[in-house]
Amino acid sequence: AQSVTQLDSQVPVFEEAPVELRCNYSSSVSVYLFWYVQYPNQGLQLLLKYLSGSTLVKGINGFEAEFNKSQTSFHLRKPSVHISDTAEYFCAVTQGGSEKLVFGKGTKLTVNP
Amino acid sequence: DGGITQSPKYLFRKEGQNVTLSCEQNLNHDAMYWYRQDPGQGLRLIYYSQIVNDFQKGDIAEGYSVSREKKESFPLTVTSAQKNPTAFYLCASSTNRATEAFFGQGTRLTVV
Repeated sequence: AQSVTQLDSQVPVFEEAPVELRCNYSSSVSVYLFWYVQYPNQGLQLLLKYLSGSTLVKGINGFEAEFNKSQTSFHLRKPSVHISDTAEYFCAVTQGGSEKLVFGKGTKLTVNP
Repeated sequence: DGGITQSPKYLFRKEGQNVTLSCEQNLNHDAMYWYRQDPGQGLRLIYYSQIVNDFQKGDIAEGYSVSREKKESFPLTVTSAQKNPTAFYLCASSTNRATEAFFGQGTRLTVV
């Protein structure tokens, strides 16, 4: 079965510093990959997705992620974070053509002034 | 505006009572999902449905039931058999190719 590992449960950073949130998935079969953000007591909002094509994917709010098939990774990056980026971030995967979306356990990003 | 509506946002129930959470979408999506979220555990799939009148169990279906009588609606019933029902519940929908899932704002259920 497909699984997703988010290697860090919490990531504290200072404002304007770069950040990387790590995500590894279990299958090398054709996959779709997603990053979602969740603010407290709200639903999930899509940041970006990889379906095919270029391995560098750009999303909203200045985030980007790189799909690395050989390392089965899809790490999320932002070159300079803001206080407003404080939230929980979830990596998710589905095998191409499957309807089941599998989530990692989430990474809480805290941006300090 | 198109989207997914979950209601209510907060729900309190006494132990032993069944409770139904509402989820409606106007995105014309075929697939709908229910997830449960607990601190530090991510999102766990309860049930999903790809088409009207059909649904499948997810990873933690015990103590829950669903129906899919209309394309727009996918209500979740938390039964008294669910041992730890207090949680944040999220509904989502997508096209059948799951190229993107859209989420509702969630329902926080507290059982006392």
